Amino acid sequence: GDSVTQMEGPVTLSEEAFLTINCTYTATGYPSLFWYVQYPGEGLQLLLKATKADDKGSNKGFEATYRKETTSFHLEKGSVQVSDSAVYFCALSGANTGNQFYFGTGTSLTVIP
Amino acid sequence: SQTIHQWPATLVQPVGSPLSLECTVEGTSNPNLYWYRQAAGRGLQLLFYSVGIGQISSEVPQNLSASRPQDRQFILSSKKLLLSDSGFYLCAWNGRGDQPQHFGDGTRLSIL
Repeated sequence: GDSVTQMEGPVTLSEEAFLTINCTYTATGYPSLFWYVQYPGEGLQLLLKATKADDKGSNKGFEATYRKETTSFHLEKGSVQVSDSAVYFCALSGANTGNQFYFGTGTSLTVIP
Repeated sequence: SQTIHQWPATLVQPVGSPLSLECTVEGTSNPNLYWYRQAAGRGLQLLFYSVGIGQISSEVPQNLSASRPQDRQFILSSKKLLLSDSGFYLCAWNGRGDQPQHFGDGTRLSIL
């Protein structure tokens, strides 16, 4: 069945470091891919999305490119800030999933000054 | 614009007591609605989803139930809470097709 696999956390980085959080997926057809962010005690917020192969989603300095050949959607940011500390979830959805969402298990990021 | 409201934000209940969590969506019609549970430090577990009034699909067997009495209202209930029901409950909605899901602020449920 369809699924999303995220890199295990927690991840701890110093401020201004480069961030990569790996996400790979298994799906039939061509799903849409999403990254969500969850700040402590809050719900999930959509960070970015991509709906077809080679699309790049971007928001708030974060980027992710839909790579069909490697079935990946890795999240990157060139210079993280303390305020980026949160849990990040990769997700997929598409017609072949009945438009259900499949979420990864989340990756906790802590950025230290 | 569309908004989603979820309440209460925090709830402390004794074992064996009933539960009712409510979620409403504004600014859209005929949304898909979802209830998730997130255990501490864990990922999301889909509990229920609904594509229309009175239409509820359950993903996992448990002592929880859901109802959708109105188009933009989704209620999560239990007749008798268990200790294992503790967690962070999230309501979400999206439109038709593979539209992003939008989440409420969540309810922190503690069972004593």
